[in-house]
Amino acid sequence: GNSVTQMEGPVTLSEEAFLTINCTYTATGYPSLFWYVQYPGEGLQLLLKATKADDKGSNKGFEATYRKETTSFHLEKGSVQVSDSAVYFCALSYGGATNKLIFGTGTLLAVQP
Amino acid sequence: GAGVSQSPRYKVAKRGQDVALRCDPISGHVSLFWYQQALGQGPEFLTYFQNEAQLDKSGLPSDRFFAERPEGSVSTLKIQRTQQEDSAVYLCASSLQRWGTDTQYFGPGTRLTVL
Repeated sequence: GNSVTQMEGPVTLSEEAFLTINCTYTATGYPSLFWYVQYPGEGLQLLLKATKADDKGSNKGFEATYRKETTSFHLEKGSVQVSDSAVYFCALSYGGATNKLIFGTGTLLAVQP
Repeated sequence: GAGVSQSPRYKVAKRGQDVALRCDPISGHVSLFWYQQALGQGPEFLTYFQNEAQLDKSGLPSDRFFAERPEGSVSTLKIQRTQQEDSAVYLCASSLQRWGTDTQYFGPGTRLTVL
């Protein structure tokens, strides 16, 4: 079946460090891919998305490229801030009639000053 | 504008009790989703509405779970005869369009604890 696998956390970084959170997926066809973020005490928010192979999603300094050949959608940021501390979820969707999201287990990022 | 709201934010139930969880989507949003998030896990799909029609309920874990959206706006997720394994955060999301990879906007969730 369709699934998403994320690197386990927590990921602990110092401010201004480079961030990578790995995400790979298993799916038939060509899903759309998403990163959602959950800040402490808040609801899930869409961070970025890519709807077809080789697309790059970007937002707030974060980027992820849809790699069909490696079935991956790794999240990167060149210089993290304390305010980036949150749980990050990778997800896929086929859109269509249902558009339900299939999530990974989430990766906790803690950025220290 | 107002986002997705859910009530109550926290609910404690004794095993065997019935509970009802409410979701107010963003006004005008056609699609509404319910997800269940167990501790330390990602959200898992429960059910989907397009306006008042429940088009997908494949994720509902048992016939104790029931959802409705009678007027195509507010939705209620009802769990009958709650069990301890029902303890989780229940998330509601809405999106503007009927289909496609439209952005889903999530509410803050209802944390259900079954004792």
